[in-house]
Amino acid sequence: DSGVTQTPKHLITATGQRVTLRCSPRSGDLSVYWYQQSLDQGLQFLIQYYNGEERAKGNILERFSAQQFPDLHSELNLSSLELGDSALYFCASSPAGLAGGPNEQFFGPGTRLTVL
Amino acid sequence: AQSVTQLGSHVSVSEGALVLLRCNYSSSVPPYLFWYVQYPNQGLQLLLKYTSAATLVKGINGFEAEFKKSETSFHLTKPSAHMSDAAEYFCAVTTGHKFYFGSGTKLNVKP
Repeated sequence: DSGVTQTPKHLITATGQRVTLRCSPRSGDLSVYWYQQSLDQGLQFLIQYYNGEERAKGNILERFSAQQFPDLHSELNLSSLELGDSALYFCASSPAGLAGGPNEQFFGPGTRLTVL
Repeated sequence: AQSVTQLGSHVSVSEGALVLLRCNYSSSVPPYLFWYVQYPNQGLQLLLKYTSAATLVKGINGFEAEFKKSETSFHLTKPSAHMSDAAEYFCAVTTGHKFYFGSGTKLNVKP
């Protein structure tokens, strides 16, 4: 158990819909990362938040957005869903600050999204 | 910019044989390197990390990796494979905020 929790575990929805994935980082971790894992694209970095602020952006579509709240949990919002958005979405947290260099990420169990 | 290349999307070894999973990185500044393992239907778990201390890094479950700057490599090895090592392995690099993961190598262990 990494200490990172994600809800829900599974989500089945239809094209055009909007969903919200939730992530609670490990206690004390300030950084939250979101990843998408699909068979054809592999593990793709989407976005990172650090203490409530967006820190880095990866291959995140404009239909997707995220935020990190004052209690440090994070939500990933996916809208106008397409069949191709079906994937595993992972959240990871890290205690990384700038001092001392990057630390490893601790991954949650993931949310499996199926778009029908 | 950084990137990671994992050679071989599938590797198959016999139980008890040497495991060698290859990772080459590209980075314009000294990198931090990681190996993660993913078991079916689970998230990624950290195996080991290199953060500019010793070039030979020991991780969990008997795995180790050696940072070779001249070869820009960080290959993962284990002297003797066990059936429980069957999983997908990811190499990752970062120099700051963004992490770049390789495409993964699925390790199959034959009895």
